[in-house]
Amino acid sequence: QKEVEQDPGPLSVPEGAIVSLNCTYSNSAFQYFMWYRQYSRKGPELLMYTYSSGNKEDGRFTAQVDKSSKYISLFIRDSQPSDSATYLCAMSDTGRRALTFGSGTRLQVQP
Amino acid sequence: GAGVSQSPRYKVAKRGQDVALRCDPISGHVSLFWYQQALGQGPEFLTYFQNEAQLDKSGLPSDRFFAERPEGSVSTLKIQRTQQEDSAVYLCASSLDRYTGELFFGEGSRLTVL
Repeated sequence: QKEVEQDPGPLSVPEGAIVSLNCTYSNSAFQYFMWYRQYSRKGPELLMYTYSSGNKEDGRFTAQVDKSSKYISLFIRDSQPSDSATYLCAMSDTGRRALTFGSGTRLQVQP
Repeated sequence: GAGVSQSPRYKVAKRGQDVALRCDPISGHVSLFWYQQALGQGPEFLTYFQNEAQLDKSGLPSDRFFAERPEGSVSTLKIQRTQQEDSAVYLCASSLDRYTGELFFGEGSRLTVL
């Protein structure tokens, strides 16, 4: 079993929809939680960065961390065709700099 | 340039050939990481440098993989005697400080081993 599980999709939604992306993890030592967006043939780019539990909002994006359930979410409001990409969750603990990534969820926003 | 630069972007190697992949991090960034991304998968950690010191190489899959950052800036990932299972995108990332922070990724070097 992988340390971080993520549904690969693809997830197809109409423009303007609210999108919910999720990851579960097994390592209780994880303290830092990130969401990256990766366009085809490009490197990942950081969208959201959260330390420990709680919510964080940035424009149309909201990240939630529930450490008690070992579950993190990314919500995208008013989704746009330009949001079509693969979304990767990533996490790390305080003792190690390496990130552990999920396998990514491919999102398609239909105009 | 302003971002992380990787070269070559594409490399085709015959099985058994040695390859070298270069990473030019953002100027002044202390930390540098190498990740391997197989098709349809998330990136997997290979190794981490803080300046010129290789602090973690636990993700290197075999002794055929070697990474260096001799002057604390440019890094090279070398794969000796390439195998078909080495085919993947190799991503380099850098970050400004030594603490857990934002990683800036390059576009990757896509290696295909025939």
